[in-house]
Amino acid sequence: DAEITQSPRHKITETGRQVTLACHQTWNHNNMFWYRQDLGHGLRLIHYSYGVHDTNKGEVSDGYSVSRSNTEDLPLTLESAASSQTSVYFCASSAGTGKGQPQHFGDGTRLSIL
Amino acid sequence: RKEVEQDPGPFNVPEGATVAFNCTYSNSASQSFFWYRQDCRKEPKLLMSVYSSGNEDGRFTAQLNRASQYISLLIRDSKLSDSATYLCVGGTGGFKTIFGAGTRLFVKA
Repeated sequence: DAEITQSPRHKITETGRQVTLACHQTWNHNNMFWYRQDLGHGLRLIHYSYGVHDTNKGEVSDGYSVSRSNTEDLPLTLESAASSQTSVYFCASSAGTGKGQPQHFGDGTRLSIL
Repeated sequence: RKEVEQDPGPFNVPEGATVAFNCTYSNSASQSFFWYRQDCRKEPKLLMSVYSSGNEDGRFTAQLNRASQYISLLIRDSKLSDSATYLCVGGTGGFKTIFGAGTRLFVKA
């Protein structure tokens, strides 16, 4: 069955370090998204991609970057981790941008920055 | 004003009860609507799409009211396993898919 997987599931790191969260989907979806979820804010869009070599900033992109070198993967990089980036991160994918295309989510990565 | 707004709850209901959630959206151009379910510390999972004519899936009924710009989710015969957070989703697709902050439901025996 097609799926979307994130790794690691949990990570603890220190402020100032570079951190990369992996997202891999086997749906063959063109669209991929990264969200963070914090209490009181719901899901907030960090970056998204509509296809290979396409990346775009979302609502809360400062301090994050992504790259899309193939259809399956959209890694999220925190250039210099800050305590404010402690959160749960979800990757999602969808088949298209049109009406009626729901997003499917990975299991999430719990990131703690000390 | 947030683009998609939900009552955060919590809604506390007994088993077997019927419960309804509403969600309002501000962008009149929104075309895609969904309800997701999210269990504690887990990923959101698609519960159902919401169609203009309304749709039903077992005990769950979703409706869209374009004139008043809201969608609703009705759960009949609530089960303990329905306890979760329900996320309303609206938008015009792709990155313009906006998730509400969620409504918490507790179903008690």
